[in-house]
Amino acid sequence: GNSVTQMEGPVTLSEEAFLTINCTYTATGYPSLFWYVQYPGEGLQLLLKATKADDKGSNKGFEATYRKETTSFHLEKGSVQVSDSAVYFCALDTGRRALTFGSGTRLQVQP
Amino acid sequence: DSGVTQTPKHLITATGQRVTLRCSPRSGDLSVYWYQQSLDQGLQFLIQYYNGEERAKGNILERFSAQQFPDLHSELNLSSLELGDSALYFCASRPRDFGTEAFFGQGTRLTVV
Repeated sequence: GNSVTQMEGPVTLSEEAFLTINCTYTATGYPSLFWYVQYPGEGLQLLLKATKADDKGSNKGFEATYRKETTSFHLEKGSVQVSDSAVYFCALDTGRRALTFGSGTRLQVQP
Repeated sequence: DSGVTQTPKHLITATGQRVTLRCSPRSGDLSVYWYQQSLDQGLQFLIQYYNGEERAKGNILERFSAQQFPDLHSELNLSSLELGDSALYFCASRPRDFGTEAFFGQGTRLTVV
Protein backbone atom coordinates (compact mmCIF):
# COMPACT_ATOMS: atom_id res chain seq x y z
CA GLY A 1 0.00 0.00 0.00
CA ASN A 2 0.89 3.66 -0.10
CA SER A 3 2.81 5.23 2.73
CA VAL A 4 4.72 8.39 3.58
CA THR A 5 7.56 8.59 6.08
CA GLN A 6 8.68 11.90 7.54
CA MET A 7 11.48 12.73 9.91
CA GLU A 8 10.52 12.88 13.56
CA GLY A 9 10.09 16.25 15.17
CA PRO A 10 10.20 18.64 16.71
CA VAL A 11 12.79 20.42 14.65
CA THR A 12 14.10 23.48 16.49
CA LEU A 13 16.03 26.11 14.55
CA SER A 14 17.19 29.64 15.03
CA GLU A 15 15.86 32.35 12.76
CA GLU A 16 17.64 32.49 9.38
CA ALA A 17 18.84 28.89 9.65
CA PHE A 18 18.54 26.42 6.78
CA LEU A 19 15.67 23.97 6.96
CA THR A 20 15.38 20.45 5.62
CA ILE A 21 12.49 18.13 6.45
CA ASN A 22 12.92 14.69 4.95
CA CYS A 23 10.06 12.84 3.28
CA THR A 24 10.17 9.48 1.54
CA TYR A 25 7.28 7.56 0.09
CA THR A 26 6.11 4.17 -1.09
CA ALA A 27 3.46 4.11 -3.78
CA THR A 28 2.19 2.18 -6.74
CA GLY A 29 2.05 4.05 -9.98
CA TYR A 30 3.12 7.66 -10.36
CA PRO A 31 1.87 9.72 -7.44
CA SER A 32 1.55 13.44 -7.11
CA LEU A 33 3.36 14.76 -4.05
CA PHE A 34 2.37 17.57 -1.72
CA TRP A 35 3.55 19.49 1.29
CA TYR A 36 0.86 20.87 3.57
CA VAL A 37 1.38 23.21 6.51
CA GLN A 38 -0.74 23.49 9.65
CA TYR A 39 -0.39 26.65 11.71
CA PRO A 40 -1.55 26.55 15.34
CA GLY A 41 -5.30 26.32 15.62
CA GLU A 42 -5.87 26.07 11.90
CA GLY A 43 -6.59 23.49 9.25
CA LEU A 44 -4.06 22.24 6.74
CA GLN A 45 -3.21 24.36 3.74
CA LEU A 46 -1.27 23.47 0.66
CA LEU A 47 2.30 24.73 0.68
CA LEU A 48 3.57 23.27 -2.59
CA LYS A 49 3.16 20.33 -4.92
CA ALA A 50 4.85 18.37 -7.72
CA THR A 51 3.05 16.09 -10.12
CA LYS A 52 5.85 14.25 -11.91
CA ALA A 53 9.45 13.18 -11.50
CA ASP A 54 12.05 15.98 -11.38
CA ASP A 55 9.37 18.64 -10.89
CA LYS A 56 10.23 21.26 -8.29
CA GLY A 57 7.43 22.76 -6.25
CA SER A 58 8.04 26.11 -4.60
CA ASN A 59 6.14 28.64 -2.54
CA LYS A 60 6.97 31.27 0.10
CA GLY A 61 10.67 30.41 -0.09
CA PHE A 62 10.06 26.69 0.43
CA GLU A 63 11.11 24.16 -2.21
CA ALA A 64 10.84 20.43 -2.77
CA THR A 65 11.95 18.31 -5.72
CA TYR A 66 10.20 15.11 -6.75
CA ARG A 67 12.96 12.45 -6.87
CA LYS A 68 11.64 9.23 -8.32
CA GLU A 69 14.96 7.40 -8.06
CA THR A 70 15.14 7.92 -4.31
CA THR A 71 11.33 8.12 -3.78
CA SER A 72 11.81 11.34 -1.87
CA PHE A 73 10.30 14.81 -1.66
CA HIS A 74 12.37 16.69 0.92
CA LEU A 75 11.23 20.16 1.98
CA GLU A 76 13.85 22.92 2.14
CA LYS A 77 14.03 26.60 2.96
CA GLY A 78 17.15 28.68 2.92
CA SER A 79 16.31 31.02 5.80
CA VAL A 80 13.48 30.27 8.19
CA GLN A 81 11.49 32.85 10.10
CA VAL A 82 9.64 32.67 13.40
CA SER A 83 6.40 32.81 11.39
CA ASP A 84 7.31 29.48 9.76
CA SER A 85 6.74 27.68 13.06
CA ALA A 86 4.07 25.10 12.26
CA VAL A 87 3.52 21.43 11.57
CA TYR A 88 4.48 20.26 8.09
CA PHE A 89 2.89 17.25 6.40
CA CYS A 90 4.14 15.41 3.36
CA ALA A 91 1.41 13.68 1.34
CA LEU A 92 0.94 11.65 -1.80
CA ASP A 93 -1.93 11.05 -4.17
CA THR A 94 -2.09 8.12 -6.56
CA GLY A 95 -5.58 8.88 -7.74
CA ARG A 96 -6.98 5.70 -6.24
CA ARG A 97 -8.12 7.00 -2.90
CA ALA A 98 -7.60 9.82 -0.48
CA LEU A 99 -4.38 11.66 0.08
CA THR A 100 -1.98 9.65 2.20
CA PHE A 101 -0.24 11.79 4.81
CA GLY A 102 2.94 11.40 6.77
CA SER A 103 2.89 11.79 10.53
CA GLY A 104 3.84 15.46 10.41
CA THR A 105 6.96 17.30 11.56
CA ARG A 106 6.70 20.15 14.02
CA LEU A 107 9.04 23.05 13.28
CA GLN A 108 9.88 25.57 16.00
CA VAL A 109 11.87 28.64 14.98
CA GLN A 110 13.40 30.69 17.75
CA PRO A 111 14.23 34.39 17.42
CA ASP B 1 -10.16 31.02 3.95
CA SER B 2 -10.18 27.63 2.23
CA GLY B 3 -13.88 27.75 1.40
CA VAL B 4 -14.55 24.59 3.41
CA THR B 5 -16.76 25.17 6.43
CA GLN B 6 -16.95 22.88 9.41
CA THR B 7 -19.36 23.14 12.31
CA PRO B 8 -19.18 23.17 15.21
CA LYS B 9 -15.63 24.32 15.93
CA HIS B 10 -15.63 22.78 19.38
CA LEU B 11 -17.69 20.04 20.94
CA ILE B 12 -17.56 18.62 24.44
CA THR B 13 -19.65 15.59 25.20
CA ALA B 14 -19.80 12.63 27.55
CA THR B 15 -18.82 9.04 26.93
CA GLY B 16 -21.55 6.97 25.35
CA GLN B 17 -23.10 9.92 23.57
CA ARG B 18 -23.58 10.53 19.85
CA VAL B 19 -22.54 13.63 17.90
CA THR B 20 -22.80 14.88 14.34
CA LEU B 21 -20.10 16.92 12.65
CA ARG B 22 -21.00 18.90 9.58
CA CYS B 23 -18.94 19.91 6.56
CA SER B 24 -19.79 22.21 3.67
CA PRO B 25 -17.28 21.75 0.84
CA ARG B 26 -16.03 24.45 -1.49
CA SER B 27 -18.56 25.46 -4.08
CA GLY B 28 -18.48 22.95 -6.93
CA ASP B 29 -16.27 20.38 -5.20
CA LEU B 30 -17.72 16.90 -5.54
CA SER B 31 -15.30 15.02 -3.29
CA VAL B 32 -15.40 15.20 0.49
CA TYR B 33 -12.90 13.52 2.81
CA TRP B 34 -12.94 13.07 6.56
CA TYR B 35 -9.74 12.78 8.60
CA GLN B 36 -9.05 12.31 12.28
CA GLN B 37 -6.05 13.94 13.91
CA SER B 38 -5.16 12.75 17.39
CA LEU B 39 -2.43 14.33 19.53
CA ASP B 40 0.02 11.50 19.08
CA GLN B 41 -0.85 10.56 15.54
CA GLY B 42 -0.84 12.12 12.17
CA LEU B 43 -3.85 12.42 9.94
CA GLN B 44 -5.86 9.25 9.73
CA PHE B 45 -8.11 8.96 6.72
CA LEU B 46 -11.62 7.93 7.69
CA ILE B 47 -13.86 8.03 4.63
CA GLN B 48 -14.42 9.69 1.25
CA TYR B 49 -17.58 10.59 -0.62
CA TYR B 50 -17.83 11.60 -4.23
CA ASN B 51 -21.01 13.19 -5.52
CA GLY B 52 -23.14 11.51 -2.89
CA GLU B 53 -21.61 8.06 -3.02
CA GLU B 54 -19.09 6.45 -0.72
CA ARG B 55 -15.83 6.16 -2.66
CA ALA B 56 -13.21 4.93 -0.21
CA LYS B 57 -12.94 3.83 3.40
CA GLY B 58 -9.98 4.16 5.66
CA ASN B 59 -9.56 3.45 9.35
CA ILE B 60 -13.14 4.26 10.26
CA LEU B 61 -14.65 2.53 13.27
CA GLU B 62 -18.00 0.78 13.00
CA ARG B 63 -19.36 3.27 15.55
CA PHE B 64 -18.71 6.03 13.02
CA SER B 65 -20.67 6.68 9.86
CA ALA B 66 -20.95 9.42 7.30
CA GLN B 67 -23.03 10.55 4.39
CA GLN B 68 -23.00 13.16 1.66
CA PHE B 69 -26.26 14.86 0.79
CA PRO B 70 -27.57 16.02 -2.60
CA ASP B 71 -26.35 19.56 -1.90
CA LEU B 72 -22.89 17.97 -1.38
CA HIS B 73 -22.53 18.84 2.29
CA SER B 74 -21.44 15.94 4.45
CA GLU B 75 -22.01 14.78 7.99
CA LEU B 76 -19.87 12.52 10.14
CA ASN B 77 -21.77 10.70 12.88
CA LEU B 78 -19.87 9.42 15.88
CA SER B 79 -21.74 7.22 18.34
CA SER B 80 -21.07 5.39 21.61
CA LEU B 81 -18.27 7.85 22.14
CA GLU B 82 -15.17 6.84 24.08
CA LEU B 83 -12.43 8.95 25.65
CA GLY B 84 -10.10 7.86 22.87
CA ASP B 85 -12.33 9.48 20.25
CA SER B 86 -11.21 12.90 21.46
CA ALA B 87 -9.45 14.43 18.48
CA LEU B 88 -9.57 17.03 15.75
CA TYR B 89 -11.80 15.98 12.88
CA PHE B 90 -11.04 17.57 9.55
CA CYS B 91 -13.07 17.70 6.42
CA ALA B 92 -11.45 18.34 3.06
CA SER B 93 -12.84 18.78 -0.41
CA ARG B 94 -11.58 18.82 -3.95
CA PRO B 95 -13.18 19.08 -7.36
CA ARG B 96 -12.66 15.45 -8.40
CA ASP B 97 -11.40 12.41 -6.54
CA PHE B 98 -7.82 12.61 -7.71
CA GLY B 99 -5.10 14.79 -9.08
CA THR B 100 -5.86 18.10 -7.46
CA GLU B 101 -5.07 19.63 -4.12
CA ALA B 102 -7.45 19.14 -1.24
CA PHE B 103 -8.79 22.13 0.68
CA PHE B 104 -9.22 21.66 4.39
CA GLY B 105 -11.67 23.12 6.84
CA GLN B 106 -10.50 24.41 10.21
CA GLY B 107 -11.64 21.26 11.93
CA THR B 108 -13.94 20.31 14.76
CA ARG B 109 -12.24 19.68 18.09
CA LEU B 110 -14.12 16.91 19.87
CA THR B 111 -13.52 16.36 23.56
CA VAL B 112 -15.10 13.33 25.18
CA VAL B 113 -15.25 13.51 28.97
